[in-house]
Amino acid sequence: DGGITQSPKYLFRKEGQNVTLSCEQNLNHDAMYWYRQDPGQGLRLIYYSQIVNDFQKGDIAEGYSVSREKKESFPLTVTSAQKNPTAFYLCASRGTVNSPLHFGNGTRLTVT
Amino acid sequence: GQQVMQIPQYQHVQEGEDFTTYCNSSTTLSNIQWYKQRPGGHPVFLIQLVKSGEVKKQKRLTFQFGEAKKNSSLHITATQTTDVGTYFCLRSNDYKLSFGAGTTVTVRA
Repeated sequence: DGGITQSPKYLFRKEGQNVTLSCEQNLNHDAMYWYRQDPGQGLRLIYYSQIVNDFQKGDIAEGYSVSREKKESFPLTVTSAQKNPTAFYLCASRGTVNSPLHFGNGTRLTVT
Repeated sequence: GQQVMQIPQYQHVQEGEDFTTYCNSSTTLSNIQWYKQRPGGHPVFLIQLVKSGEVKKQKRLTFQFGEAKKNSSLHITATQTTDVGTYFCLRSNDYKLSFGAGTTVTVRA
């Protein structure tokens, strides 16, 4: 059964720690995306990758980093430089331009 | 990528009533996609519109693409509690896919 897996579902960290969120897809999609969602803010684009070994900053990339070493994987690191890291993080992928986005179930990160 | 503007941001609807949410762009769209996110869930693709003036229906949901391909609408008839959630539109012909705030729908019984 193909899909996108985000883990863990809930994540708790202390302020000042870096944390990496996992996103894995077995849909053979080239493009992958990371979004952040806060209450009433909609989906804000953090980073995206059109192809392996390539990625671009989205609208709110500061304080985040990504890698795309494998087609199936697009991990997101929330660094200690991110001022307000507590949020709901969604990963998505799609095969071609204009094809639908497929989303993972998301990771809720709480930093205290 | 340029995002489309979506209005209203919030829609509080009496159960059984109809409502419409709109997406507007200052530039011509090659196509537009609609997604729905239930509370606590993730966005799920609903439909894609490609042709000028196109109208597509999914049960009580009617999607329309404007003649000039600069706007789109989602109309829901006889709103039910299952319609609760946030509806997003997305211009999908870019690689940089930026969503707007969406329209968050609540329903009062």
